[in-house]
Formats: sequence, structure tokens, C-alpha cells
Amino acid sequence: RKEVEQDPGPFNVPEGATVAFNCTYSNSASQSFFWYRQDCRKEPKLLMSVYSSGNEDGRFTAQLNRASQYISLLIRDSKLSDSATYLCVVSGQDMEYGNKLVFGAGTILRVKS
Amino acid sequence: DTGVSQDPRHKITKRGQNVTFRCDPISEHNRLYWYRQTLGQGPEFLTYFQNEAQLEKSRLLSDRFSAERPKGSFSTLEIQRTEQGDSAMYLCASSLVSSTDTQYFGPGTRLTVL
Repeated sequence: RKEVEQDPGPFNVPEGATVAFNCTYSNSASQSFFWYRQDCRKEPKLLMSVYSSGNEDGRFTAQLNRASQYISLLIRDSKLSDSATYLCVVSGQDMEYGNKLVFGAGTILRVKS
Repeated sequence: DTGVSQDPRHKITKRGQNVTFRCDPISEHNRLYWYRQTLGQGPEFLTYFQNEAQLEKSRLLSDRFSAERPKGSFSTLEIQRTEQGDSAMYLCASSLVSSTDTQYFGPGTRLTVL
């Protein structure tokens, strides 16, 4: 079983749609949680950190449920430019994880006009 | 450009050859990480440095791989006796020790082993 699991998609949605991605992680000692965005053949870029209280950045909302070890990302009013792979990422401070990031395989989003 | 830089951006080599990649982190970032990404997968951690000390190495890092950060600034990743399975994107990231420790990635070096 992978440490971070995501639905690979692809999610094909029209412009203006709302789309939600889910992610689960296996290490209950994980301390930090992120969503990264990766465009085709480019490096990952931090989209947003994820907090237990939930956080919002414009059209993007992230949620963390530590009890269920579940992370989500909601994108409202999808734009063509949102087309990318969205990577769910966790990191921890325990002996096993150190400060490394553990990535899911990514969820592909395609927004169409 | 003050971001993370990597060189070369692309490398094609024949099986059995040695290759070396360089990463220049964001200035004053004291942590530097190496990851490897294959098609359809997320990046996988290889190793990381705090200043010049290599603090963690993944089990993925076989004895053919070696990484250095001699002066706590740039880092090199060498792969000896390359194999076709080494073909991947090699990503470098840097961060500043802080409460957030956000990692910023370089553009990567794409390695193709023929």
C-alpha cells in the first residue's frame, strides 16, 4: 500500500465547474500537509498548505481530517489554466520520515472550454 | 532568477556510463533535497542535506548513487554505471529551516539511459 493515495483521474470538467480531489495517507505521525501543482514536464509548485481548521485561497479550499487521515482540495469556478496534475503531499518529523516530502502519484485535471 | 537551478536540464547517456547533476539552491537555504520522479508517479525522496551534512538517505539510493554538498551551498548527485531503470526526472528542492520549511523545487534534470 502506498503511503499517500490519490485517485489518478483524469478529471475532465468544463470551465466554471467545481471539482474535488481526495487523498488519504497512512502515517498517523505525519505533521505537515500540502497540495502541490505540477504542469506537464515542469517541476512541482506549492499550491497551498493544509491545516486542520481548513484553509482557503481564492477559488481553492483545502481540508484536513487527521482522525480519518484524509485530505481534500476543492477548486471552484475552474479555469482552463487550472489544467495540471495535483499532488497530495505529507511530511513528518518522526524518525521514519525526517523532513522529506512524501508525494501521492497525482490527480490529473483537464478543464475544457 | 533567484530560484533553484539545476544543470543540465537534459542528459542522454548510454548504459554503464557515469553521470553527474548539479543543483544550486535558493541563496541562504540551508536544506537541500533530491527527489526522483518517473512517468505517472509523484516525486520520491532520495536524500537530503542540512548545510553540508547528509542527514537522510532513502533505500532507493543504491550504492551506485552518491550525493555531496561540500560547502553547504550547491550539491551534486552522481550515478555510476547507469542502468535503464535510472531514467527519470531528478528534482532538487531547497528550504530554509523554519516553522513551515517550505520546499521550492528546481526545474529538474531529465535523464534518459539508452
